[in-house]
Amino acid sequence: KNEVEQSPQNLTAQEGEFITINCSYSVGISALHWLQQHPGGGIVSLFMLSSGKKKHGRLIATINIQEKHSSLHITASHPRDSAVYICAVSAIQGAQKLVFGQGTRLTINP
Amino acid sequence: NAGVMQNPRHLVRRRGQEARLRCSPMKGHSHVYWYRQLPEEGLKFMVYLQKENIIDESGMPKERFSAEFPKEGPSILRIQQVVRGDSAAYFCASSPSWGNTIYFGEGSWLTVV
Repeated sequence: KNEVEQSPQNLTAQEGEFITINCSYSVGISALHWLQQHPGGGIVSLFMLSSGKKKHGRLIATINIQEKHSSLHITASHPRDSAVYICAVSAIQGAQKLVFGQGTRLTINP
Repeated sequence: NAGVMQNPRHLVRRRGQEARLRCSPMKGHSHVYWYRQLPEEGLKFMVYLQKENIIDESGMPKERFSAEFPKEGPSILRIQQVVRGDSAAYFCASSPSWGNTIYFGEGSWLTVV
């Protein structure tokens, strides 16, 4: 079993829908990261969380440390949100060494 | 993130050749990380460097791979005698200090033919 599990692996939705991507992890962490990767493109860091909730524009990320679970929400989704979203954790030991989930491929249709 | 500069973006090498990938971290960042993304696989940690020091290379293959971050100039990931299985996207990331947000480069796509 991977240390970081994401669900769903693939998600297709219509423009305007509310999107939720989930991430569960099994190790102790110092921080959790949400990343975005467009096909053939680079990686953009969206959020770094160690507790609570963060919001940036239409993106919201939450984390529950006790349950070892995080969610990424996208409100009013748009076709330009289509990308792979990756959850990654910094373990307490070796915190600089990110462990990644397999990613969630999101497609938003117009 | 445009702040972390990687080059080349795309590199084609024949089996047995050497590949050198460069990474210039964001200004003021002294910590550099290299990650590899094999086709249809997730990202994996390779190595963590600070200026002139390798801090953690536990993700590096034991042979043919090396990394450095000299006092002056970019960090270099070097792959000797490349094989087809080395074909992947190699991402560099940098951070200003331990535990802070890290910033990723655009990646270097290596194809071994």
